[in-house]
Amino acid sequence: EVQLLESGGGLVQPGGSLRLSCAASGFSFSDYAMSWVRQTPGKGLEWVSGIRGSGGDTYYADSVKGRFTISRDNSKNMLYLHMNSLRGEDTATYYCAKDWCSGLCSYFDYWGQGTLVTVSS
Amino acid sequence: QSALTQPASVSGSPGQSITISCTGTNSDIGGNKYVSWYQQHPGKAPKFLIYDVSNRPSGVSNRFSGSKSGNTASLTISGLQAEDEADYYCSSYRRSGTLVFGTGTKVTVL
Repeated sequence: EVQLLESGGGLVQPGGSLRLSCAASGFSFSDYAMSWVRQTPGKGLEWVSGIRGSGGDTYYADSVKGRFTISRDNSKNMLYLHMNSLRGEDTATYYCAKDWCSGLCSYFDYWGQGTLVTVSS
Repeated sequence: QSALTQPASVSGSPGQSITISCTGTNSDIGGNKYVSWYQQHPGKAPKFLIYDVSNRPSGVSNRFSGSKSGNTASLTISGLQAEDEADYYCSSYRRSGTLVFGTGTKVTVL
């Protein structure tokens, strides 16, 4: 059974940093691209960042480019999102999501339950 | 990175068909076949419904169907059921590995 378990969310001040983690199990982790998708309270989904299975290619939404860094450790089946210079508009529930196909198709067949990040003073 | 535009809400009676639109630009929906749809019930993670505009992953009911014309994609739910009451999101590949979601549509079963 595929499982994705996010952790690392919490309350952080504007300008601060946070690292989110996603523990994956139940599939061949290195074969699949992964993404982070966020959802603001009561609002819609926003794709944040993606990374290929090998970790060699990374992609970012314009809203986080230069502030967030996605990475993965295939030996530990872990996905990370390093978030710097956090702003109020980054407040959201952050989901890690598994690509449906091997490669990079950006269709997400499994999602974690999310971790809440609140940016506030 | 503006979101794709969806109607805020759509409603229908049990057994009816409804269609949700998703409007983008030539840079996303109009420029590729990589359009997908998700269903999200309150407090739950999204569920993958449609890929490549009109294909259903294994296990998704054939009551859900997708299409595209120009810069607008559509999701049709036929034989509407109470369990279909949820939020629905479209998404499209935009450029250079980036992805954009729609604004979301709340479906109400009357």
